[in-house]
Amino acid sequence: DQQVKQNSPSLSVQEGRISILNCDYTNSMFDYFLWYKKYPAEGPTFLISISSIKDKNEDGRFTVFLNKSAKHLSLHIVPSQPGDSAVYFCAASDSGNTPLVFGKGTRLSVIA
Amino acid sequence: GAGVSQSPSNKVTEKGKDVELRCDPISGHTALYWYRQSLGQGLEFLIYFQGNSAPDKSGLPSDRFSAERTGGSVSTLTIQRTQQEDSAVYLCASSLAAKYEQYFGPGTRLTVT
Repeated sequence: DQQVKQNSPSLSVQEGRISILNCDYTNSMFDYFLWYKKYPAEGPTFLISISSIKDKNEDGRFTVFLNKSAKHLSLHIVPSQPGDSAVYFCAASDSGNTPLVFGKGTRLSVIA
Repeated sequence: GAGVSQSPSNKVTEKGKDVELRCDPISGHTALYWYRQSLGQGLEFLIYFQGNSAPDKSGLPSDRFSAERTGGSVSTLTIQRTQQEDSAVYLCASSLAAKYEQYFGPGTRLTVT
């Protein structure tokens, strides 16, 4: 039973365009959502997060949108750069210091 | 400052042997987590330590898996009688108490032949 779903295993975008990565969740108790980025042979690195009291959080080229009624969040990267090519994991939590629940990841390829 | 470190970075072992994987969390982080990522899969939670509380072992796949955390710092994940399906990247993460962001180590790639 996957509580966090990333239905697109891969995404290819041209450099300079917008990348949109999607994530759906089923557990209505989740109140904090995170995106992690993972390069090959490295551990995931924290990218951006959003609390359920907000519907948008922006950090430079990265913006996360949360639609609680649809139990959906998305990560927008604009403009996309070749260095953004990585696997992106969506994660969710229902309280602090509890194990994050991760999606299976989406592999983003930004083509120059 | 130093991040989360894990050793070894790679481990190849024969089926049936025991292995130990080590994690050094970020200094001052009271919460420590173990995950694994099998090929083509997401991150699977294994076990979680928070301060002096009893660990949350709900993610351990079998009784061949165990972990301990000594002195509230370094943690060791032990897999006994390894099986081929144990082959995966084992990731350790740590976080400050009451902080959501977890910081991951580079992982240990375990291959069971």
